[in-house]
Order: sequence, then C-alpha cells, then structure tokens
Amino acid sequence: AQSVAQPEDQVNVAEGNPLTVKCTYSVSGNPYLFWYVQYPNRGLQFLLKYITGDNLVKGSYGFEAEFNKSQTSFHLKKPSALVSDSALYFCAVRDRGSTLGRLYFGRGTQLTVWP
Amino acid sequence: DADVTQTPRNRITKTGKRIMLECSQTKGHDRMYWYRQDPGLGLRLIYYSFDVKDINKGEISDGYSVSRQAQAKFSLSLESAIPNQTALYFCATSDPTAIFDNEQFFGPGTRLTVL
Repeated sequence: AQSVAQPEDQVNVAEGNPLTVKCTYSVSGNPYLFWYVQYPNRGLQFLLKYITGDNLVKGSYGFEAEFNKSQTSFHLKKPSALVSDSALYFCAVRDRGSTLGRLYFGRGTQLTVWP
Repeated sequence: DADVTQTPRNRITKTGKRIMLECSQTKGHDRMYWYRQDPGLGLRLIYYSFDVKDINKGEISDGYSVSRQAQAKFSLSLESAIPNQTALYFCATSDPTAIFDNEQFFGPGTRLTVL
C-alpha cells in the first residue's frame, strides 16, 4: 500500500533562515515523489518532483528536495526562507510500477515564515 | 492553473440537496481526478477517469458520483448532500502520453458547505 507521512503539521522559521519540511513515504515499488504548494484560496501548484537520476532535485522558487532511498524520505528544503513562502505544503508519492497514475498525498505541513 | 477551471468556486447548500461541481480543462489531458481536502487530512481521492469511458472509484467515493461528459469535462455530484461533505474540492488532470505521466495539474478548488 502506498502512503505518505508528513510528521509536522506546522513549521515556523524566521525569514532568512533555512527551512526543512519533512516527508517520508511507503510504496510497494520504486517511487515517483512530488512536492506541491497551496497558497490561501488557491489550488495546488507543482513545486518539484523526483523521477530518477540525481537524488537532489531542484524546483521552483528556490526549493529543493533530496531523495533518500534508505530512509524512504523526500524532505523539502530551502537555504533562505522568505515570508512569501508561507503556505501549505503537500508531499505526494506514486508507485513507479503502477499504471494507474494516481498520487497519494500527505496531510500537509503549514509553513509560516515570520519577518 | 488557469487551464483547469472549476465551477462554482463557492457553494452553500442544505442537507439532502443534490449538487453538481463541474471541472473543465483546456490542457487536452485524458486523465482527470476529483479530490476533497479536509484540514489535517490532506487530499483524498474521490474518483478518477482515464478517458471518457473509464471511470474508477477512489478511496472515498461513497455519497458521490461522477460523469465524464467529454475529454475536457468531469463533473462530481453529491446526490444527497450531508454536512460531513463540507470540504474543499479539487479537480486535477494529468497527461498519460507524457514521458513520465506523473505530474497533476489542479484547478482552483470549490469550497462546499452543507448546512
């Protein structure tokens, strides 16, 4: 069974500090991994994805994430947080071997960056 | 994503009423999805459709039905709305012909309140 865990409901960081939003996953096969962001009153926007290759993936708005197969993790990171990064972040996984194409989402982590 | 639109954006209805949420896309994607978002629960899949003739139940399909009228349109119906169906509903699309069919594109959401 596929599942995603985001262990922190909220993450609070000061502007200019590095941020990390954690994600661990469980899939029966090899994963495709994603991060989405949701700003207030908006739909989900794609940030980045891991498909294959380099474990460090770079995405939009200066975000990056590192795929760690041994720890089954895909943590989202940014070296220097901005107030405008404050939003709800979702990690999602898809089983690479599945033809169904559906994503499984975590519960979301609310990131607040304070000035 | 402006290529995926949802109507209405907000709806308040009463218990027992039938309501339809509509989703349209101009991305030309075959695959479409309906999710609901509840605080602390993330996104849960209601129904998904891989083409006009292929509709599948997701993890929480009870109380919902769908219609895929055309490639571009995917409607979600609540036959007899109940208060615990109060949620934010998202439509999404994906392209199975992409090299890696994985990224989903989301509409802006419909906020439904059932009194």
